[in-house]
Order: sequence, then structure tokens, then C-alpha cells
Amino acid sequence: NAGVMQNPRHLVRRRGQEARLRCSPMKGHSHVYWYRQLPEEGLKFMVYLQKENIIDESGMPKERFSAEFPKEGPSILRIQQVVRGDSAAYFCASSPVVNTEAFFGQGTRLTVV
Amino acid sequence: AQRVTQPEKLLSVFKGAPVELKCNYSYSGSPELFWYVQYSRQRLQLLLRHISRESIKGFTADLNKGETSFHLKKPFAQEEDSAMYYCALSNYGQNFVFGPGTRLSVLP
Repeated sequence: NAGVMQNPRHLVRRRGQEARLRCSPMKGHSHVYWYRQLPEEGLKFMVYLQKENIIDESGMPKERFSAEFPKEGPSILRIQQVVRGDSAAYFCASSPVVNTEAFFGQGTRLTVV
Repeated sequence: AQRVTQPEKLLSVFKGAPVELKCNYSYSGSPELFWYVQYSRQRLQLLLRHISRESIKGFTADLNKGETSFHLKKPFAQEEDSAMYYCALSNYGQNFVFGPGTRLSVLP
């Protein structure tokens, strides 16, 4: 089991461009969580998804941000028209169906220039 | 609503001194509590969970339902313990909520 894989590890975007962050959960895990970590700050919950469903998106900004976890393929966090304030590390975690620990990816560091 | 608080943003101790990282939670039910650690430039990894009652790397944490706390303790801190520590709560099969984190710095 390769663990939670996130790509790219580093992403640079100019203001106004779109950023697409990918997360492949561990095999057999159907729960995916996205978190944002700003410099010198802790983890902030963004969205929680199960296959093809958004369960809780209370931490995600209403505009420009969207997330999906399709039946096939990785979970995608999409940020449209990025701004400097979107620069952060974005972490994805996955867990199996029944409550156990969440396993984290190595994160994607987004830099908006 | 679920909430996890960690009152200390930064905690500095000397090597060999005891360390306690505080965590309080609010949840109207029986949550599962975790401690995660993030060493420099590494991914978050599970340190311990209350249900397993294990001691990992010398760390222990006891769930106190009366005080709604899950403080992390180690009797003798080591320099390699320097890291970011996150307390987290899971509502059985639902969302994982993390506290803001405490940066532990163990001084030589």
C-alpha cells in the first residue's frame, strides 16, 4: 500500500490562474479530507468527501474553491482565479470506512506569484 | 459542534524536562481522540490514539471525559521530540477535526 499520494508536491501559479491539487487515497479508503496549513499556523479543515459525495464542506470558501472525489480516480481540490492569500500547504488525508486514524499525504505547497 | 483547542501555540522546554501539551475538546458524545505529530518537512503522522492506550516514543495521553481533555505527556523530553503536535477528534466515521497545533521546541 503506497500511502496517500498527493501531486504535485509544489505548484506555482500566477494570480488569476487555476490550481488543481490531486490526492490519491490509500487503497481501500473511501473517506478523504482536505486541510490547509498557512505559514506558521495550524491545520484548517476544508472539506470531507466520500466517494462521489461531499459530506462536509463547511471549511471551504464559498467562492473559487471546489472539491470532488469521483468514483474512479483521485480526489481533486480546485482553486479558480488564485490570489496571493491562497499560498499555503494543502494536505489530504484518507481513512477507511469505519473510524480509524487518518493517513496523511505529504502535501502540495501552492505558491501564488 | 465539535471543537478542539490547544492553548499553547509554542512550548519550549529543556532536554530532560517533563513536557505536557494541552488539549481540550468539545463534543456532545463519545469521540475518539488522537495526537498527530509533524516533524520538520515531513507529513503528519499518528502519534497515538486514546483507544489503544499505547505509549509511543515515551508519550502518553489520558482521556479525561470530566474535563474534556486529552493532554499529551512525556516525563523526559528529547531534542528529537521538537515538532508540531496536533490534537484531533473524530466523530466515529465522520469528520476529523484538528486543533490549531502546538510547536514543541526542546532546547539542549
